[in-house]
Amino acid sequence: DTEVTQTPKHLVMGMTNKKSLKCEQHMGHRAMYWYKQKAKKPPELMFVYSYEKLSINESVPSRFSPECPNSSLLNLHLHALQPEDSALYLCASSYDPSTDTQYFGPGTRLTVL
Amino acid sequence: SQQGEEDPQALSIQEGENATMNCSYKTSINNLQWYRQNSGRGLVHLILIRSNEREKHSGRLRVTLDTSKKSSSLLITASRAADTASYFCATDEQGGSEKLVFGKGTKLTVNP
Repeated sequence: DTEVTQTPKHLVMGMTNKKSLKCEQHMGHRAMYWYKQKAKKPPELMFVYSYEKLSINESVPSRFSPECPNSSLLNLHLHALQPEDSALYLCASSYDPSTDTQYFGPGTRLTVL
Repeated sequence: SQQGEEDPQALSIQEGENATMNCSYKTSINNLQWYRQNSGRGLVHLILIRSNEREKHSGRLRVTLDTSKKSSSLLITASRAADTASYFCATDEQGGSEKLVFGKGTKLTVNP
């Protein structure tokens, strides 16, 4: 299994809602990542988990809360988002917490109304 | 901050032609990677070239790396309409950072 899966594919939420994005991989990878990508822009790193521990937080607002329940799962909890948070949220994983090949999921298209 | 900068920003060619995209970066690196992204979808890893390598091939892809000029190029030979996508270079920072930084990308359109 060489796939990173993400659910849901699309999400529309209001600014007062609480929702979660889910990412899963079964490749035995020990690092997992969340990226945010706005239209026609490159992905921007948000968080890195290494061995299930948060190792990098790129000064992301607290309305985004990551969670790594186990080595295969990564969640991103969303609360009180703003319309400018609308973007494609990409999850990735890599075997090592280094900068070798990262495997990306298809992303969740988030719209905040 | 962005490490890699691709040029051109957009490239339109005919099927069968070769496409060359360039990437420049600012700091010393351990490796440089190229990724491809179809519209609104996840990224797909194409090729990784380490700082001690100068050229690498994978199928119709050829990547070069010039660390003295802090630049890399991606050549796609005999392009196909299915190669239409955005292409990003991504670099790390020498010193063991876990962080990949992506360039702005080149939007390639291959016309049938």
